[in-house]
Amino acid sequence: QSVLTQPPSASGTPGQRVTISCSGSSSNIGKNVVNWYQQVPGAAPKLLIYANDQRPSGVPDRFSGSKSGTSASLAISGLQSEDEADYYCAAWDDSLNGPYVLFGGGTKLTVL
Amino acid sequence: EVQLVESGGGLIQPGGSLRLSCAVSGFTFSSYWMVWVRQAPGKGLMWVSFIKNDGSSTISADSVKGRFTISRDNAKNTLYLQMNSLRAEDTALYYCARNPPTILGAFDVWGQGTLVLVSS
Repeated sequence: QSVLTQPPSASGTPGQRVTISCSGSSSNIGKNVVNWYQQVPGAAPKLLIYANDQRPSGVPDRFSGSKSGTSASLAISGLQSEDEADYYCAAWDDSLNGPYVLFGGGTKLTVL
Repeated sequence: EVQLVESGGGLIQPGGSLRLSCAVSGFTFSSYWMVWVRQAPGKGLMWVSFIKNDGSSTISADSVKGRFTISRDNAKNTLYLQMNSLRAEDTALYYCARNPPTILGAFDVWGQGTLVLVSS
């Protein structure tokens, strides 16, 4: 099955802006929406961004998402210590073997 | 309050079977698609199975196809995952999650997970 590629780690200092990338292909990100999840250690994942750039109720506007072609990005501005977590992108894949849901490998964000 | 509570996990020998349950409350279960997602210890998320709101359609990952079966009982507000022919690589924390039908792939509410350990 296809993969969504994320950098394994990212870091920033409080107040900074960080971005996390998610690279896919024409059968997943290229034709379907991207969703982003935040997972704080020891907790269940939480939906952070849906449909490429929409925030669920309660998610601060410091978090934003975008998509272009077969790649997507999550941006976090005004970084805070509580943003330290693992972040996952996800999208449906409509390949010949599909459809199925793909998750990226996850990016561990460290707030220095 | 919207809640998803998984149960049924435990220690099982390779080749054995388990049935996971996910009891939901606080929303109209029959209106939502549902999924199972798993996370092996120290690893990332992996989607396992998906079922439409009325149970009319299911999809599973290749790695579990033919071994795992997702189902639901809308009268009991419960989602299930029947897992057969379990392997060591199925060891993981299994989450159930809700998918609003208008936002395919957006899992907006998650349970706390139930741990499945496949070992002899």
